[in-house]
Amino acid sequence: DTAVSQTPKYLVTQMGNDKSIKCEQNLGHDTMYWYKQDSKKFLKIMFSYNNKELIINETVPNRFSPKSPDKAHLNLHINSLELGDSAVYFCASSQDWHGYTFGSGTRLTVV
Amino acid sequence: AQSVTQPDIHITVSEGASLELRCNYSYGATPYLFWYVQSPGQGLQLLLKYFSGDTLVQGIKGFEAEFKRSQSSFNLRKPSVHWSDAAEYFCAVGQTSGGSYIPTFGRGTSLIVHP
Repeated sequence: DTAVSQTPKYLVTQMGNDKSIKCEQNLGHDTMYWYKQDSKKFLKIMFSYNNKELIINETVPNRFSPKSPDKAHLNLHINSLELGDSAVYFCASSQDWHGYTFGSGTRLTVV
Repeated sequence: AQSVTQPDIHITVSEGASLELRCNYSYGATPYLFWYVQSPGQGLQLLLKYFSGDTLVQGIKGFEAEFKRSQSSFNLRKPSVHWSDAAEYFCAVGQTSGGSYIPTFGRGTSLIVHP
């Protein structure tokens, strides 16, 4: 059983489209996150949800909207995709500092 | 604000040689410190972490790290590198925010292993 699973693994889409990335964790963790990793491997926190409540919303465009239907799921919806959105997006979950677990990533390519 | 510096973008070692990856942090209180490894096409895997206590921390895959408060460092070491260790390594320092536990990552060090 995969602890933190993301779908899809790869996503190629045209500029202007709307897309979603799904994330599920089966670890029972209270907190889930979205990170963006750019082409230089830099990891930047985008959002954090604790028990379905938005805790952190870093300076990302409002075209990005996270949705957490329950504690085990945190989806990322992106409107009007731009070339600069191309990156690898990682979902993660944690239970305090002892259980910070990453998904395997979604490589988004906007053409 | 906390920050993490990994001064080496790339490190090249021969298989069987020893390894040390450098990490310096800036944080006002006693930090939570982590090392993660990212293999190509994969997510990040936790190698080891330091919260308190013994300053030499053992991790998975034969890695260890030493916390040195006086130098604000948390360097990662391995006595003998294997070809499968080739990957991206990230140092991170943690803070809490509104019930979330947010690591701040360094920019990573790419490890290249020569046969």
